[in-house]
Amino acid sequence: DAKTTQPPSMDCAEGRAANLPCNHSTISGNEYVYWYRQIHSQGPQYIIHGLKNNETNEMASLIITEDRKSSTLILPHATLRDTAVYYCIVRVPRSRDQGAQKLVFGQGTRLTINP
Amino acid sequence: EAQVTQNPRYLITVTGKKLTVTCSQNMNHEYMSWYRQDPGLGLRQIYYSMNVEVTDKGDVPEGYKVSRKEKRNFPLILESPSPNQTSLYFCASSLHRGTPLHFGNGTRLTVT
Repeated sequence: DAKTTQPPSMDCAEGRAANLPCNHSTISGNEYVYWYRQIHSQGPQYIIHGLKNNETNEMASLIITEDRKSSTLILPHATLRDTAVYYCIVRVPRSRDQGAQKLVFGQGTRLTINP
Repeated sequence: EAQVTQNPRYLITVTGKKLTVTCSQNMNHEYMSWYRQDPGLGLRQIYYSMNVEVTDKGDVPEGYKVSRKEKRNFPLILESPSPNQTSLYFCASSLHRGTPLHFGNGTRLTVT
């Protein structure tokens, strides 16, 4: 699975959009981009994933650049409860996954939402 | 409510005393997995299971055992715990091996 690079920390004001970048310059054509977050020491929570089209769900939007070398997770109206560590992961989809569903989480971005 | 339930949430034990951490999911998921999380090392996979009676090693399986006799349960067994197994453990499940994972709330284990 391709390696990802994220800033170690970010701040955002409550009510504003939080934009979390992720670089994955070695991503291959069949690898999806996944985002999870971990609030304090709770279990990681799935947020969203995508291949090349932008995706949106009730939690967030995912913008993937045309060359797929980077992506941005957008939390449109951040609240204090969005304070967490956000992980960007790239991995192959089910049909091509020959081995364990290993998710290399890395260090992620520690997002702090300020009142 | 769809969830992955781990028990206990906190456990303090002594070296060599066998213990089991239970994990149960109510979503009829095929895939289940155990991770440990340590400062600076991120989440590392211990064991995983593709379905009932099918288990395999992850990145750090030494000192651990698992079983998958029923679809909903995937216990993690430490036959002879050692202090280097002090960690935060997470169980996770997904419908299939490539779909998003659902994690439990974790078990913080301390081995003295």
